[in-house]
Amino acid sequence: EPEVTQTPSHQVTQMGQEVILRCVPISNHLYFYWYRQILGQKVEFLVSFYNNEISEKSEIFDDQFSVERPDGSNFTLKIRSTKLEDSAMYFCASSSYTGTNSPLHFGNGTRLTVT
Amino acid sequence: QQQVKQSPQSLIVQKGGISIINCAYENTAFDYFPWYQQFPGKGPALLIAIRPDVSEKKEGRFTISFNKSAKQFSLHIMDSQPGDSATYFCAASSILTGGGNKLTFGTGTQLKVEL
Repeated sequence: EPEVTQTPSHQVTQMGQEVILRCVPISNHLYFYWYRQILGQKVEFLVSFYNNEISEKSEIFDDQFSVERPDGSNFTLKIRSTKLEDSAMYFCASSSYTGTNSPLHFGNGTRLTVT
Repeated sequence: QQQVKQSPQSLIVQKGGISIINCAYENTAFDYFPWYQQFPGKGPALLIAIRPDVSEKKEGRFTISFNKSAKQFSLHIMDSQPGDSATYFCAASSILTGGGNKLTFGTGTQLKVEL
């Protein structure tokens, strides 16, 4: 079964550094998402992306965050200047089309630790 | 108004028993209610979902009960098995925002099924 792949599985960075989290969505999917889960808390929506544009973003997704689809397969999340509170599990997800008849497929996540 | 409240936080059930997890929402625009199952080190995986035009949906041992007037929905796991031990998240979304894939998650329930 096709799956969403995320790399790295664990990223440790120092406060103020830039990080890029990478995702390879399922190949025929057109809609891409980032969610995050702070340890022990609920999963939270960050951003959705379609046709090379952000279609929606949450309050969490401020100017320090950006997303990009640099080629036909990768989808990245960049945090420009990391803060301690950015430490979380970041999940990439994709769907073949929008709407609730096309469920989200999540990757296994990247654990980001900011020290 | 965007919150989804989930209870209990943790649940221990004997093998063969019924596991029941409850969720409540306030936003009447929500029109899609999925449940996700998450194993340690993995991303959330869609288990079962319901729309508000039906009061119950059953797939194998998993049943969602939905009460539109009370704005509540619950997951029932019949004949619970040790392999069901995982964290379960309820979620909700609206087709009006994010095309239905901007999920608002509950806080999660850690289920342990004992032999």
